[in-house]
Amino acid sequence: KNEVEQSPQNLTAQEGEFITINCSYSVGISALHWLQQHPGGGIVSLFMLSSGKKKHGRLIATINIQEKHSSLHITASHPRDSAVYICARETSGSRLTFGEGTQLTVNP
Amino acid sequence: NAGVMQNPRHLVRRRGQEARLRCSPMKGHSHVYWYRQLPEEGLKFMVYLQKENIIDESGMPKERFSAEFPKEGPSILRIQQVVRGDSAAYFCASSPGQHQETQYFGPGTRLLVL
Repeated sequence: KNEVEQSPQNLTAQEGEFITINCSYSVGISALHWLQQHPGGGIVSLFMLSSGKKKHGRLIATINIQEKHSSLHITASHPRDSAVYICARETSGSRLTFGEGTQLTVNP
Repeated sequence: NAGVMQNPRHLVRRRGQEARLRCSPMKGHSHVYWYRQLPEEGLKFMVYLQKENIIDESGMPKERFSAEFPKEGPSILRIQQVVRGDSAAYFCASSPGQHQETQYFGPGTRLLVL
C-alpha cells in the first residue's frame, strides 16, 4: 500500500463541472502539498496546508488531520485545468512523499 | 525574482558516460530538493540539501549518484556511468526554510541514456 493514495486515478469532466480529487495518507504529517503537473511536464505548487482549508481562485484545498484525508476541489472547471494533480505528504524531515497523481481532462 | 532554474533542460548521454544536472534555487532560498520521475511513474524524493550540507539522502541510489550544494554556485546532481534505467526527468525544488514551506519547482532536466 502506498503511503499516499489518490483517487480517482483518471477523471474526465465537462467544462463547468465541480471536480473533487481525494488524497489519503497513512502516517502523520507536518504538512500536505497539492501540486499541478502540466502536460509539458512543469510542476507548480498549488497549496501547502497543515489544517483547515485554503482557497485560491477556483481552487480549494481541505484537510482533515484526524481522518488523514485531504481533498482538492476545482469549481467551474475549464479545459486549461487539464493536468495531473499530485498530493504529497511532508514529514518532519521536509522530504515529500508523492501520490501517483490524478490525470484530469476537462472537455469543452 | 527568477524562479528555480535547471540546466540543461534536455541531456542525452551514452551508457557509461557521466551526467551533471544543475539547479539554481530561487533567490533567498537555501534549501534544495532533488526528485526523480521515471517514465510513467510518480515523483520520488532523492536528496535534500542546504548550503554545503546534505541533510537527507535516503532516496539516493547507493552507487553512482551524488549531490552537492556548494557555498557558491548551483546545486549539482551527478550521475556517474549512466545506465538506460537512469533515463528520467529530474526535478529540483527550493524553499526558503525547512518545515511547512512551499517548495518551488524548476522545469526539470530530461535525461535520456542511449
